[in-house]
Amino acid sequence: DAKTTQPPSMDCAEGRAANLPCNHSTISGNEYVYWYRQIHSQGPQYIIHGLKNNETNEMASLIITEDRKSSTLILPHATLRDTAVYYCIVRVPMDSSYKLIFGSGTRLLVRP
Amino acid sequence: DTGVSQNPRHKITKRGQNVTFRCDPISEHNRLYWYRQTLGQGPEFLTYFQNEAQLEKSRLLSDRFSAERPKGSFSTLEIQRTEQGDSAMYLCASSWTGGRSTEAFFGQGTRLTVV
Repeated sequence: DAKTTQPPSMDCAEGRAANLPCNHSTISGNEYVYWYRQIHSQGPQYIIHGLKNNETNEMASLIITEDRKSSTLILPHATLRDTAVYYCIVRVPMDSSYKLIFGSGTRLLVRP
Repeated sequence: DTGVSQNPRHKITKRGQNVTFRCDPISEHNRLYWYRQTLGQGPEFLTYFQNEAQLEKSRLLSDRFSAERPKGSFSTLEIQRTEQGDSAMYLCASSWTGGRSTEAFFGQGTRLTVV
């Protein structure tokens, strides 16, 4: 069962920041938040992950609320190639590893 | 290194036939995962291997499904007596226990159509 809820679709203008929200109100203390994206007909691509603190890498920033019940993925300067389905994911521990619990994702359209 | 490789990319089969998919993970990765994705939905976890040991199976993995990773390198996923409900994208991912990077890398998937 999905542990995250996301808006089904969003759009933003090329060059502007894209802010993708996610609710994960039932997340447990040892469960990480991951973001992947999937461009049509390809496998999911890792973007970023975090536990409690905000994180930034070359692709995006992840802002996690203090209560950890929600987060926002920020693409600072969206390009047309960022058009994809973005999945907010809870990483759940299992025997010596983890599994990714995907939600239904947000379809982001970047407009020229 | 070209990432996670899956073959075939597409498979069309008649209902009742058996099919087998192959996944070649990134070479140094000891963990391998199978996921299934139906149209318009996010991927769902099916099973997980650490080296050659299958350590976790989802309840989605019915008796008609079997996965192997005989030498801890490539893996196969077999579906026996396929049904139309098996039509989906089957995704393989791999990851490594060591180092700072623990994220799973996905292949491009095998799209199965059962007619």
